[in-house]
Amino acid sequence: GAVVSQHPSRVICKSGTSVKIECRSLDFQATTMFWYRQFPKQSLMLMATSNEGSKATYEQGVEKDKFLINHASLTLSTLTVTSAHPEDSSFYICSANLEHTGELFFGEGSRLTVL
Amino acid sequence: AQKVTQAQTEISVVEKEDVTLDCVYETRDTTYYLFWYKQPPSGELVFLIRRNSFDEQNEISGRYSWNFQKSTSSFNFTITASQVVDSAVYFCAQRGTSYGKLTFGQGTILTVHP
Repeated sequence: GAVVSQHPSRVICKSGTSVKIECRSLDFQATTMFWYRQFPKQSLMLMATSNEGSKATYEQGVEKDKFLINHASLTLSTLTVTSAHPEDSSFYICSANLEHTGELFFGEGSRLTVL
Repeated sequence: AQKVTQAQTEISVVEKEDVTLDCVYETRDTTYYLFWYKQPPSGELVFLIRRNSFDEQNEISGRYSWNFQKSTSSFNFTITASQVVDSAVYFCAQRGTSYGKLTFGQGTILTVHP
């Protein structure tokens, strides 16, 4: 079946550094991918919609200059957390859907810890 | 705007008990999809079910069953004869006409004790 893979699964970084998280659709093309954030013991909140070949669409309250999204190919979207701070520590999950069926697949998630 | 409410923050049961997780949704879309996901401690989301708004038939899959009632905007999830391995956070979610954009409920932490 279709699989979405995220890398890295865990990352620890120092405050002020930038971190890149990759989301790949392994056996299907995804013109649209979605990035969610989940703080500890909370729900998943949609951050942005990543569109292949065009700018991402950010949800209200999400800083686009802080969370850079690039969707350069039909199988890869990247989320870069720029100048990370401890409050950015969270679980980031991407998803992609099979457009002809509408089935939705989630990546394994990436746990970011900013020291 | 869409909204999904899971009123039960935490539920604790003893193994072999039946447990029902409630989910109530709000939407203005006439066509929509409802989902349930399981999130074990490792964090990945495990897909359990997808139901479209035109299909109100209840569904059973092994020990899992789902009750979709449009009249009350509810999509409840029951685990029969619960097991310790069922311990996880369960999320109800809704998707409208926009592919892939899910609105999640707050989640219910289910703990099944031996």
